[in-house]
Amino acid sequence: RKEVEQDPGPFNVPEGATVAFNCTYSNSASQSFFWYRQDCRKEPKLLMSVYSSGNEDGRFTAQLNRASQYISLLIRDSKLSDSATYLCAVKPPNDYKLSFGAGTTVTVRA
Amino acid sequence: SQTIHQWPATLVQPVGSPLSLECTVEGTSNPNLYWYRQAAGRGLQLLFYSVGIGQISSEVPQNLSASRPQDRQFILSSKKLLLSDSGFYLCAWSRQGVNYGYTFGSGTRLTVV
Repeated sequence: RKEVEQDPGPFNVPEGATVAFNCTYSNSASQSFFWYRQDCRKEPKLLMSVYSSGNEDGRFTAQLNRASQYISLLIRDSKLSDSATYLCAVKPPNDYKLSFGAGTTVTVRA
Repeated sequence: SQTIHQWPATLVQPVGSPLSLECTVEGTSNPNLYWYRQAAGRGLQLLFYSVGIGQISSEVPQNLSASRPQDRQFILSSKKLLLSDSGFYLCAWSRQGVNYGYTFGSGTRLTVV
């Protein structure tokens, strides 16, 4: 089983829609979780950290479900500029190496 | 503020030629440094990481090596490139500690021909 798994998508949504997707992780003791955004042929950029209580940044909401070992990202009121690949990243306990999922592609259409 | 520089942006090299990619970080000290490779349409594969000068750990056996001659400099090298070395190479840094995410450089797109 891979350390981190994501639905590759693509998720094709109209502007203004809400889109949500998950990322599962295998190590139940993992401590740190992140969402990154990667545009085509660019480097990944940190979108947000994921906290145990869940957190929100504008139109983006991240949740952590430890019992089921997944994190989620929800994008409200999608914009064309939200089209990208979203990578989740997980740090095992007592480790500084991030394991990345292969990414979920989101395409927002006009 | 901290910045990470990676160069060159693109590189086309013949099979069997050497490789040297450089990454430097500014505005911080004693960073953790990482080299990742991303094959076309694939996820990120950790190649090497370093927690200090001269300290290199390799994650996968391969045709590549890494060195950290200075605190904020990380170099990825190969003596003889293979076709399979083609990909998008990304350098990243993080603070020491388990709760920090990474910041990536802009990457080098390597094509071995």
